[in-house]
Amino acid sequence: KNEVEQSPQNLTAQEGEFITINCSYSVGISALHWLQQHPGGGIVSLFMLSSGKKKHGRLIATINIQEKHSSLHITASHPRDSAVYICATKGSDKLIFGTGTRLQVFP
Amino acid sequence: NAGVTQTPKFRVLKTGQSMTLLCAQDMNHEYMYWYRQDPGMGLRLIHYSVGEGTTAKGEVPDGYNVSRLKKQNFLLGLESAAPSQTSVYFCASSSFYGGLTNYGYTFGSGTRLTVV
Repeated sequence: KNEVEQSPQNLTAQEGEFITINCSYSVGISALHWLQQHPGGGIVSLFMLSSGKKKHGRLIATINIQEKHSSLHITASHPRDSAVYICATKGSDKLIFGTGTRLQVFP
Repeated sequence: NAGVTQTPKFRVLKTGQSMTLLCAQDMNHEYMYWYRQDPGMGLRLIHYSVGEGTTAKGEVPDGYNVSRLKKQNFLLGLESAAPSQTSVYFCASSSFYGGLTNYGYTFGSGTRLTVV
């Protein structure tokens, strides 16, 4: 079992839909990152959070430390949100990356 | 702001050839990392550096060497390329280890390497 599990692996949506991507982890962490990998391959850091919730534009990230679970939500999804979303946990000494969720948003 | 710049973007090598991937950052970050990304797997850490003149092994260091002679540059070398090293390589930098700041990591745009 991977230490960081993401679900779903693939997700398709119609423009305007509310999107949820989940990340579960099995080790104690001090922080969790959400990253976005564009179709061209570039990776952008979206959020780093260690508790509660963070919001940036239409993106919302939440984390429940007790349940070892984080979610990334996208409101009013748009085709430009199509990308791979990756969560990564920060343990005692290194980051552990999930395999990513591939999101496609169709007009 | 250039952020993190990786060169080259694409490369095809023959088995046994050597090459160096260059990563340059202009954010005065202390920490730099080299990752590889393979289908169906998360990013895996090859080597990292916590400051100029220092390097350390990550999860998958075999077959690679690194150097950090200047704070802004982190070089990844393949001495004798193997087909198993076909991958996409990403460099990243952060101001704290593991990117434990609000700014997280800054990634380069990746190098797609094919070894035939």
